[in-house]
Amino acid sequence: QSVLTQPPSASGTPGQRVTISCSGSSSNIGNNYVYWYQQFPGTAPKLLISRSNQRPSGVPDRFSGSKSGTSASLAISGLRSEDEADYYCATWDDSLSGVLFGGGTKLTVL
Amino acid sequence: EVQLVESGGGLVQPGGSLRLSCAASGFTFSSYTFNWVRQAPGKGLEWISSISGSSSNIYYANSVKGRFTISRDNAKNSLSLQMNSLRAEDTAVYYCARAVLYPAEHDYWGQGTLVTVSS
Repeated sequence: QSVLTQPPSASGTPGQRVTISCSGSSSNIGNNYVYWYQQFPGTAPKLLISRSNQRPSGVPDRFSGSKSGTSASLAISGLRSEDEADYYCATWDDSLSGVLFGGGTKLTVL
Repeated sequence: EVQLVESGGGLVQPGGSLRLSCAASGFTFSSYTFNWVRQAPGKGLEWISSISGSSSNIYYANSVKGRFTISRDNAKNSLSLQMNSLRAEDTAVYYCARAVLYPAEHDYWGQGTLVTVSS
């Protein structure tokens, strides 16, 4: 059971907008930046959203991140088949003095 | 070009030890915090340890505290993870990951090395 809670699955059709949530607490999301990672089977994760809402170079602007209080969200607009992957949120936890990952969300493009 | 290459994975018996290495190139190694992150088969990502550029700040997940030791050699651009008292639940792909500024901000990852703990 992860301290950061994500829905295990999400889905959408091509062109749709999908959001993935990440819920935490005041000691983690509430007081730190949130990061989002995209992972395809058999490969290392890739940084998708940095510092809650910034896109690293090369990440399409279809991907966006937001944070409010102790929750964060990843939004994917104009969904494409190649977006089908696992998505993880991550942040630092001040109480645990460690990095936390959410349990991950498997995105299916129908 | 930034490169992180892990090595040292393999099959080990429960209670045994293993040492993972991560060779870095293409950037000033000593300027960055590094993390080890693992992923059990079919499971999610789990952070296990972090070490700052000067090794002055080291953190461990509760699941490995007292059994694993992270270290680095800035002269050799190398990161290590000494794993002792291994358990079946330590079976996973282990990734080294570079942190940009904040510990959870991993901009580069290695390809991972598989550790299997089994008799």
